[in-house]
Amino acid sequence: GESVGLHLPTLSVQEGDNSIINCAYSNSASDYFIWYKQESGKGPQFIIDIRSNMDKRQGQRVTVLLNKTVKHLSLQIAATQPGDSAVYFCAENGEYGNKLVFGAGTILRVKS
Amino acid sequence: GAGVSQSPSNKVTEKGKDVELRCDPISGHTALYWYRQSLGQGLEFLIYFQGNSAPDKSGLPSDRFSAERTGGSVSTLTIQRTQQEDSAVYLCASSYGRANSPLHFGNGTRLTVT
Repeated sequence: GESVGLHLPTLSVQEGDNSIINCAYSNSASDYFIWYKQESGKGPQFIIDIRSNMDKRQGQRVTVLLNKTVKHLSLQIAATQPGDSAVYFCAENGEYGNKLVFGAGTILRVKS
Repeated sequence: GAGVSQSPSNKVTEKGKDVELRCDPISGHTALYWYRQSLGQGLEFLIYFQGNSAPDKSGLPSDRFSAERTGGSVSTLTIQRTQQEDSAVYLCASSYGRANSPLHFGNGTRLTVT
C-alpha cells in the first residue's frame, strides 16, 4: 500500500523464511518494471527487472512476478538473510518510458 | 568498474544560500537522472538528460532548481536561495538510455538547510 510520511509498510520475517514484498503500480502503459533495494545511507541498488511480455523472472534467491491484469508486482526473496534488511522499492517506466516512477517503499526487517 | 559518484556526500547550508551538487555518471552511460528523496519517502523525479536532446525538466519543483550536463558526462544540480523544505537526499542515476535499461544510482548528497 501507500506510505504516509515516515510510516512505510514494514514486513518482518524470520531469518531463513521466504519474503514476499508487494507493489501496486499505477500506469497501465508501463512496460518495464524494476525492484531496488536501499540500505541506510546508500543509493538504491538494482535487484531484478521484468518486461511486460513476461509474468515471472528469476534471479539469484529472488523472483519477480508481474500481474498486468491487476497492475501488481511482487518480489519474492528465498531464505531471507539479515543482509536483506533494507527498504525495497518497485519502479515502473510510466507513460513515456524514459524515466522511472517509484513506489513508496517497503521496509524489510529480518529477525535472527 | 566505477559506479555513479556524487559529491559532496553531505552538505549543510544556511537558508537563502545557493548550493551545487555534482554527479559523475558511469562511463558510457548516455542518460543521467536526478531524483530527490525526503526522509522516509520514495524517490521524486527531478530532471533527465539523454544524449544531446533537450533535458526533461518536468520534475523540477521550482525555478530555483536547475541542472546542467557538460560534455555529455558530469552533471551539476544547482539550488538557488535554498529553503528548509529543500532538505533531502539528492540522488543521481545513469543508464545506457535504451528502453528497458535499469538506472544505476549513486549514494546521494544529503542536503540540510538550516
